[in-house]
Amino acid sequence: GESVGLHLPTLSVQEGDNSIINCAYSNSASDYFIWYKQESGKGPQFIIDIRSNMDKRQGQRVTVLLNKTVKHLSLQIAATQPGDSAVYFCAEIFSGGYNKLIFGAGTRLAVHP
Amino acid sequence: EPEVTQTPSHQVTQMGQEVILRCVPISNHLYFYWYRQILGQKVEFLVSFYNNEISEKSEIFDDQFSVERPDGSNFTLKIRSTKLEDSAMYFCASTAGGDHEKLFFGSGTQLSVL
Repeated sequence: GESVGLHLPTLSVQEGDNSIINCAYSNSASDYFIWYKQESGKGPQFIIDIRSNMDKRQGQRVTVLLNKTVKHLSLQIAATQPGDSAVYFCAEIFSGGYNKLIFGAGTRLAVHP
Repeated sequence: EPEVTQTPSHQVTQMGQEVILRCVPISNHLYFYWYRQILGQKVEFLVSFYNNEISEKSEIFDDQFSVERPDGSNFTLKIRSTKLEDSAMYFCASTAGGDHEKLFFGSGTQLSVL
C-alpha cells in the first residue's frame, strides 16, 4: 500500500545544533517528496522539495536527502534556532496524482536554549 | 505577502447540523484544496478543485461534503449533516499551478461537533 511515515515522533535539540528529521515512504512511484513545517495554530508551510530523480537538494539552512534504495527521506536543519520549533511533515506526490499531497505522521522538533 | 485566509477560526456545531467553512485563496491561484487534520494525526487530503470542478476527492469526501466557488474569490466547504467524527482542523490551500507540491495553506478552521 501507499504510506508515508516518520521514525521519531519528537526530536529535542539544543539551539545551534544541527537537526535531522527522518521519514520513510513505501511508494516507489512518487515524483516529488516535500517537507512542510507546521507551527502551533498555523497551517502547514512549504519548506523544500526534491524530485525523485535527485539525491540531495539544499535550501537556506535546510537540506533534503533522498535515498531511493531504502526509501528514506531526511530533512537536515543547520544551526537550529528556536523559531524552528514546530511539527515537520514529509509528504509525497504520486505519478499521475498531481492533485493531492499524501502527508506523513509528523515529527515535533523542540529547540532548547 | 499574499496569504490564504479562512473563516471562522473556530466553529462549534451540533451533530446533524450543516456547516460551511469559508476560504479566500490567493488571488492569482487556480488550484484549490481542502485538507483536514484530526487532533494529533496527519494532514489528510479531502478534495482538489480546478476550473470550477472537482479534480480529485478522497474516500473521506462522501456525499455529505461539497465544495463551491461561488464567486471569483471565495472557496467553500459544506458539510450537510455533521457527525462527531467530523471534528477536526480543516485547512484550505491553493497553488498557482505547475507547482502542485508547493501549496499555500490557510491557518485553518477548528470544527467541533458536539
